[in-house]
Amino acid sequence: AIQMTQSPSSLYASVGDRVTISCRASQGVRDDLGWYQQKPGKAPKLLIYAASILQGGVPSRFSGSGSGTYFTLTISSLQPEDFATYYCLQDYSYPFSFGQGTKVEIK
Amino acid sequence: QAQLVESGGGVVQPGRSLRLSCAASGFTFSSHVMDWVRQAPGKGLEWVAAVSYDGSKRYYIDSVEGRFTVSRDNSKGTLYLQMNSLRPEDTAVYYCAKGGMRFLDWSYMDVWGQGTTVTVSS
Repeated sequence: AIQMTQSPSSLYASVGDRVTISCRASQGVRDDLGWYQQKPGKAPKLLIYAASILQGGVPSRFSGSGSGTYFTLTISSLQPEDFATYYCLQDYSYPFSFGQGTKVEIK
Repeated sequence: QAQLVESGGGVVQPGRSLRLSCAASGFTFSSHVMDWVRQAPGKGLEWVAAVSYDGSKRYYIDSVEGRFTVSRDNSKGTLYLQMNSLRPEDTAVYYCAKGGMRFLDWSYMDVWGQGTTVTVSS
């Protein structure tokens, strides 16, 4: 099974900050990588799929890049509603696997 | 718009069974792979199982293989997860999710249900 490793596991940031989260796969997953946002008590929400394609309705301050084994999610200017936990997911091969999550907290 | 509503969660003793359902609406259910994802209390997301759009292929994480069965009824627009021989470590919120691409056996998940809680405890 493919292992996904996210870093950092948590970070503190202020409104307006640029934030970058990374995700590394234990083997190549092409660009079959998605990013999901989850707020407490809520279902996850798809932000980005195919490594860099923004899901409809998601603000353009979110962007993704990478291919193969290394990927990043960037929030260009953090907004109050962006404080949440973010997960990467490889959908390249079964069993699918999530990263352990990155919690973005208010500094 | 696409919507998924899970049901069937509850409290069950170890070794017993439970069947979860996920009712879909607002999209052509029979065209999309469907997944189950779970989240144990205070933990991260874990993909559990998937079934292809036509129901012919099923995929599982190792820890549930042989105990859980994913299925779908395309005529009813409903996804199922039959969970047998439940263990305390199966305690989680279970989400169903829709594959974003049509007519593929695997895909990212673009629509999620609100989740249903399963607690396995004596």
